[in-house]
Order: sequence, then structure tokens, then C-alpha cells
Amino acid sequence: DIQMTQSPSSLSASVGDTVTLTCRASQSISSYLNWYQLKPGKAPKLLIYLASSLQSGVPSRFSGGGSGTEFTLTIRSLQPDDFAVYYCQQSYRTPPTFGQGTRVEIK
Amino acid sequence: QVQLQESGPGLVKPSQTLSLTCSVSGGSISSDNYYWSWIRQPAGKNLEWIGRVYPSGTADYNPSLKSRVTISVDTSNNQFSLKLSSVTAADTAAYYCAREEGYCSRGSCYYYGMDVWGQGTTVTVSS
Repeated sequence: DIQMTQSPSSLSASVGDTVTLTCRASQSISSYLNWYQLKPGKAPKLLIYLASSLQSGVPSRFSGGGSGTEFTLTIRSLQPDDFAVYYCQQSYRTPPTFGQGTRVEIK
Repeated sequence: QVQLQESGPGLVKPSQTLSLTCSVSGGSISSDNYYWSWIRQPAGKNLEWIGRVYPSGTADYNPSLKSRVTISVDTSNNQFSLKLSSVTAADTAAYYCAREEGYCSRGSCYYYGMDVWGQGTTVTVSS
């Protein structure tokens, strides 16, 4: 299986800050990298697919980048609704695998 | 828009079979370029993909669970199901169903991400 590693595991930030989350794959996955937002009691939400494509309905303050083995999710001007856990997931090979998550907390 | 809803028992005894159903509303489970997955997350642990089913009924499974898992599709009722046999406490988790977009061509499939998810249902394995 392809291993996905996210960093940091958690971070504290203030409303209005810009944060960048990193995801690394154990082998090249081209651009088959997706980002999700998870909140307790809510359905997980796809934010970015194929590394840099913004899912319909997702605010433009979210952006993704990278290819191969290194990827980033940037959230500009953090809003109160953005405090959550973010997961990357590779869809290059079956089984799809997830990173361990980055928790974004309010400072 | 498409919505997914998981249903099934919240408590299963060890060694028994966990059975969950995901009902699809707002769209057809037979739509081209969509495949239907189950994912789980034990409390405090990572997300784990269990498997997916294609509208044709063909399924892919996570090798770590393959010997115990069956995922099937019921196109007449617009739903798909998960069966996990011989459960133990390690199978206690929140279980999610999700729609995965992609396409298959000349024997290869390419996946774009899981764009619609259910809210999840918690299953506890305990006697």
C-alpha cells in the first residue's frame, strides 16, 4: 500500500491567518491526491481533488498544490468554520489510503 | 443533490456479521463514472478504506479486510451494502459510505476523490 504522511499533526492558528499543511506519499502518485475536511458529527467534505482542483462549492481560500510525492493544502484567511481535521488521500492505487490527519485548532 | 445515508445496527456481538446499508437519494447509483465506497474510522485512529462497488456489481476490497468483507449493490432500491464477518472489538468504528468519481477505460480505472459522504454511523462490537 502507498503510505501517506501528513505534517504537522496539529497546529494552532488565529482567524485571518494563512496556514499550509503538507502531505507526502511513499511513492509517486502523479496528481492523484485529494484533501478532505472532517468535523465531529458531520459528513466529511472533499475540498481539493487531483492535487489542485477546487471542489464545487468550496471557498477559494482553499488551494492545493504539488505532484509526485509532495503536496500542500493552503488555507488563506482562516475562518472560524475552518477549524477542523484535514486529511489527504491518494487515489493513484487501490487501496486508496489516507494520511493521519492535521488538526487545525484555534490559537 | 446526491445524499447518502448509512443505516444498520449500532451494536454487534463478537464473531457475528456487521451489516450496513447506504441509501442513495437525489441521483442514481447506476450513474456513469461514480463508484460506491465504504470507509471506517476507529475512535482516535485514521481513516481506513474498506472497499468499493461498481454499478455492475464488481467490487474492490482492501487486502487487509478482503477475507471478511462483501460489498454489494442493489440498483432497484438505489442502495449498496457492507457485510463484515467475524467481527472483533477492533472493528468498532464510525462507518461512512461515500461516492467516488472516476472513469474506467480499457481495463484501467482512475479515481478523482470521494465527493459525497454520508454522516457516518457508529458500530460497536461488544457482547
